[in-house]
Amino acid sequence: DQQVKQNSPSLSVQEGRISILNCDYTNSMFDYFLWYKKYPAEGPTFLISISSIKDKNEDGRFTVFLNKSAKHLSLHIVPSQPGDSAVYFCAASAMGAQKLVFGQGTRLTINP
Amino acid sequence: DAGVIQSPRHEVTEMGQEVTLRCKPISGHNSLFWYRQTMMRGLELLIYFNNNVPIDDSGMPEDRFSAKMPNASFSTLKIQPSEPRDSAVYFCASRNRRFSNEKLFFGSGTQLSVL
Repeated sequence: DQQVKQNSPSLSVQEGRISILNCDYTNSMFDYFLWYKKYPAEGPTFLISISSIKDKNEDGRFTVFLNKSAKHLSLHIVPSQPGDSAVYFCAASAMGAQKLVFGQGTRLTINP
Repeated sequence: DAGVIQSPRHEVTEMGQEVTLRCKPISGHNSLFWYRQTMMRGLELLIYFNNNVPIDDSGMPEDRFSAKMPNASFSTLKIQPSEPRDSAVYFCASRNRRFSNEKLFFGSGTQLSVL
């Protein structure tokens, strides 16, 4: 039972354009959401997060949007840069829970 | 800070052999997590510890898998006997529950190949 789903295994975007990565979840108890970025041969690193009391959180070129009614969140990267090429994992946790539930990941490729 | 340290980086073994993966969490962190990455399921939580005590091992796939945390600076994940379907990247992660909320800090992982 995959509680956090990233339905696009891969995404290819032109440098300078917007990258939009999507994530859906099924557990209505989730109230905190994170995006992690992973380069080859490295562990995932934290990128940005959002609490369920918000619908948007921005950090430089990265913005996360949360639609609670649709149980959907997205990560926008504007403008996309070659260094953004990586695997992006969406993750969620429920209040009081200690564990993060991750999605399958989306491989983003930024083309020059 | 050196970050979360995992060893070995790569492990190739034959089916039926025992495999031991090792992790040193970030000093001062009191929660430790073992995840497994596969193409189909992404990052799956196997087990996590708080203050060296196993809290939730519901993600451990079978009795062939076991994990220990004898002290605050060391944990092992053991697979005995190993099978080809265990081939994956295994990550260890840690955090300080007091300060970091849900943010985890990951090691570089162990790439396990069981032939």
